Amino acid sequence: GENVEQHPSTLSVQEGDSAVIKCTYSDSASNYFPWYKQELGKRPQLIIDIRSNVGEKKDQRIAVTLNKTAKHFSLHITETQPEDSAVYFCAPSNQAGTALIFGKGTTLSVSS
Amino acid sequence: DTGVSQNPRHKITKRGQNVTFRCDPISEHNRLYWYRQTLGQGPEFLTYFQNEAQLEKSRLLSDRFSAERPKGSFSTLEIQRTEQGDSAMYLCASSLVGKRGDEQYFGPGTRLTVT
Repeated sequence: GENVEQHPSTLSVQEGDSAVIKCTYSDSASNYFPWYKQELGKRPQLIIDIRSNVGEKKDQRIAVTLNKTAKHFSLHITETQPEDSAVYFCAPSNQAGTALIFGKGTTLSVSS
Repeated sequence: DTGVSQNPRHKITKRGQNVTFRCDPISEHNRLYWYRQTLGQGPEFLTYFQNEAQLEKSRLLSDRFSAERPKGSFSTLEIQRTEQGDSAMYLCASSLVGKRGDEQYFGPGTRLTVT
């Protein structure tokens, strides 16, 4: 089955800095790559996703880059704000709309 | 609120009892998913439906677990003979497959505590 790893497991940055979280997966058939944000006690929320025919996607301060050859994709957050503090999960799958295989999460702390 | 809803939000039960959870997806969504999340971990996939058909079940889903979506709208997840290891947050998600979006939207979850 799919093996998903996220690095780092925790990340602390100052407000305004950039944050990068990397997700490595094992299944070469994976072609859908979302990132979810989960605040304490809340539900996971999709923040950005990318499909295998695209190498990069950006949405305001958030971007995702994909390297299918190396089987990893990364979440980039620029100009971090305290409200970005949360746990971030990558969840690759073989196809959008099928089972998501979540990583163990990265806890991001943004201090002001 | 037109998002995914789940009931109950919390359930405390004694070991050996049966429990049932309900999920109401976003109304036009044709796929419905169940995940389980324990403290400090990411959600683990359990099963999903397209309309009323159960398309995939994880190996995590033991024979004590059964899920149904009888009319292709709401779904129930039943756990028989609960064990302490079943204590977790049970998350439901839904999506509309066939459109460009097909992202999964999660409900607030049902927190199960088995004593």
